[in-house]
Parts: sequence; C-alpha cells; structure tokens
Amino acid sequence: EAGVVQSPRYKIIEKKQPVAFWCNPISGHNTLYWYRQNLGQGPELLIRYENEEAVDDSQLPKDRFSAERLKGVDSTLKIQPAELGDSAVYLCASSFSASFNEQFFGPGTRLTVL
Amino acid sequence: GEDVEQSLFLSVREGDSSVINCTYTDSSSTYLYWYKQEPGAGLQLLTYIFSNMDMKQDQRLTVLLNKKDKHLSLRIADTQTGDSAIYFCAESSGGGADGLTFGKGTHLIIQP
Repeated sequence: EAGVVQSPRYKIIEKKQPVAFWCNPISGHNTLYWYRQNLGQGPELLIRYENEEAVDDSQLPKDRFSAERLKGVDSTLKIQPAELGDSAVYLCASSFSASFNEQFFGPGTRLTVL
Repeated sequence: GEDVEQSLFLSVREGDSSVINCTYTDSSSTYLYWYKQEPGAGLQLLTYIFSNMDMKQDQRLTVLLNKKDKHLSLRIADTQTGDSAIYFCAESSGGGADGLTFGKGTHLIIQP
C-alpha cells in the first residue's frame, strides 16, 4: 500500500514569491492534515480536513496561507507571498477517522525562502 | 494552550536501555503517542497509549503513563544503532481525528 505522497520534496524560492505544496493521502483516508515543522521543533498543526471540509484551520495564517481539498482526496497548501520565516518542513498526514487516530505522515516538503 | 515538553538529547550506550521522558499539560488528553523521525524520513508512529492505561508493552518498547503527574515515558530495551533518531511525544485531547500537539523531540544518540 502506498503511503502519503508529497511533492515537491524540496523547494527554494525568494521572498515574496508564491509557492504550493501537494499531498496525496493514503487511499480511503478521509482525514487530511497539514503540519509545519520548524527547525528543532515538533510539527504544528496548520489545518485539518474531513473529506473536503476544513474543520480546524485555527492555526493557519490566513493572510498568506490557503489550502484546498476540492474532491476530498488530494490537497494543496499555498503560501503567497512567502516570507523568510516560512522556511520549514511542511508535512502532510492522513488518517481514517475512527476512535483511534493513527496519523500517517508523508516525507514532507522542505521549503527554503531566501 | 496545550504544551508538551521533552528533554532535547539523550545519549546511551549500545545494548543499554533508553528512557525518554515527556510531560504534558492538557488533563483532557485522551491518547498519547510516541513518534520516531529519522533523517530525511517522515514521522513514524512507534506506539501509543490510551489515557485510562498506565502501561503498555510492545516488544522492546514500554510506555509508562502517570496521569496524575501528566508524565509519559518511553523505554527502549537493548538499544541498537538503528534506534538513533528523534523521538516525539504527542497528545490529542479530542476523540477521533483531532490534530496532534507535539513536543520538540528528543535526539537519541547511541554510543558504541
């Protein structure tokens, strides 16, 4: 069974440029998460989707970040414009909603903003 | 908000037991997790414990939960070089599919 797929794996951009990350969750997983992991820190939740609905986006900086999961499968996270402080690893995870929440993580996209 | 604390580094000799500690603040935590992160790889769930349990054993891994003190530990028996990684403690306070709150991670260093 394929795991969570993310692309690109690495991205280097200049500040003020836009950037987008893509995630394909494990087949059948209806819950999808985006986390941001800063250097030396643990992941922090940005947004959670149940199917195509964003049910928790309280930690998403809405002035520059946006996300979508139009058909309840793939998801895209966008930053526009990027700032130096956005340099981090962006992790996507998915789970099959049930009483126990085992989240499966993708390898992440490492973003460097110059 | 919720907070999860871990020490940043732990160094042990190969073959010894490793004990990684974690404290959390959210008394409504329902599940507590240990994740492993190796360089260039995603987070891998090692084990978890439900809040009404105080111990869980899974092969070389033993999880102890002291709910009164909000303290969680992960013991790895017979530590091997392949156990070298960053170990994250995480908690979820909601049922079902809530996002996780992670600690900063403990770097486990194995000495030959």
